Amino acid sequence: EPEVTQTPSHQVTQMGQEVILRCVPISNHLYFYWYRQILGQKVEFLVSFYNNEISEKSEIFDDQFSVERPDGSNFTLKIRSTKLEDSAMYFCASSWIVYSEAFFGQGTRLTVV
Amino acid sequence: DQQVKQNSPSLSVQEGRISILNCDYTNSMFDYFLWYKKYPAEGPTFLISISSIKDKNEDGRFTVFLNKSAKHLSLHIVPSQPGDSAVYFCAAHYGGATNKLIFGTGTLLAVQP
Repeated sequence: EPEVTQTPSHQVTQMGQEVILRCVPISNHLYFYWYRQILGQKVEFLVSFYNNEISEKSEIFDDQFSVERPDGSNFTLKIRSTKLEDSAMYFCASSWIVYSEAFFGQGTRLTVV
Repeated sequence: DQQVKQNSPSLSVQEGRISILNCDYTNSMFDYFLWYKKYPAEGPTFLISISSIKDKNEDGRFTVFLNKSAKHLSLHIVPSQPGDSAVYFCAAHYGGATNKLIFGTGTLLAVQP
């Protein structure tokens, strides 16, 4: 069964460092997303990506964040200068069309120290 | 801004009985609703969805009911199994071209053998 895969599963980084979280979405999907879940809180939308550009972003997704689809299979989230409050589980997701279920990866736990 | 609310943080049910998980929403622009199941250290797994033009959708042991006038949806699991023990999130999708999902806070379901 096709699945969304994310690497690494856990990333520890020092405050102020740049991190790149990687995702391989399901191959025939057209929409890609990043969500995050801070411990004990709800899953929050960060950004959606379609046709090689950001289609929507939340207020959380400020200038410190960027996304890229560098080739035909990978989808990355970069945080330029991490803050303590960026510590969370980051989930990548993909979907086939707008009104279809999004399939989520297993997540990357980012810990900023 | 809690547009999607799951007021029961936890629910305990005996194996074989019905589990009913509830979700309320405030935004009448939501037109597509989804339920996800999440185990610890894993990403959300899609379970079932319903369009706002329907009031019921069934898939095996899972049935979702939508009451638009009350802005309420529920997930019924019959019969409940110990493997169903997980956190259940409802999520809502805005109408239009956006594919952003708004998640509820989740309900932890424990199915007792």
